[in-house]
Amino acid sequence: QKEVEQDPGPLSVPEGAIVSLNCTYSNSAFQYFMWYRQYSRKGPELLMYTYSSGNKEDGRFTAQVDKSSKYISLFIRDSQPSDSATYLCAMSAVQGAQKLVFGQGTRLTINP
Amino acid sequence: GAVVSQHPSWVICKSGTSVKIECRSLDFQATTMFWYRQFPKQSLMLMATSNEGSKATYEQGVEKDKFLINHASLTLSTLTVTSAHPEDSSFYICSADRTSFYEQYFGPGTRLTVT
Repeated sequence: QKEVEQDPGPLSVPEGAIVSLNCTYSNSAFQYFMWYRQYSRKGPELLMYTYSSGNKEDGRFTAQVDKSSKYISLFIRDSQPSDSATYLCAMSAVQGAQKLVFGQGTRLTINP
Repeated sequence: GAVVSQHPSWVICKSGTSVKIECRSLDFQATTMFWYRQFPKQSLMLMATSNEGSKATYEQGVEKDKFLINHASLTLSTLTVTSAHPEDSSFYICSADRTSFYEQYFGPGTRLTVT
């Protein structure tokens, strides 16, 4: 079993829809949770990071962490074609410059 | 701010040759840099953690004699793929830690093709 599971998709939705992306994990030691966006042939770009359980909102993006269920989500409101990319969840057990464990990534397409 | 560059962005080499990839943090100092490998439609797999002035720490299954990492300064780390083979063809991405809470910034990646 992988430490982090993420549905690879692809996921295709119309412009303006609310998108829900999810990851589950097995390591209860994970405390730091991140979402990255990766465009084709580019490096990942940090979108959101949260510590422990709870919600965090930044513009059209909301990240949720439920440690009791070992489940994290990223919601995108009012989705735009420019949001089309691969979204990777990542997590780690230790604070600081520590190695991240990534999910497989979900390929998302927003159709105009 | 927090820009990480990689050079080259794309390289083709012949089997048996060596290739060097540079990773630079342009506007901040990075005590720690990370090297990842990504195969098509797959996620990033950490290869090694590079600390300035010390030997890199390699993940299990990564050959340290094949993937040489040098972190000579707080803004530069290099990955050399020695005696490259076609199975080494992949997308190599570095990241740099801004010495802040989980602010790992990624470079744009280097696509290596070994023929």
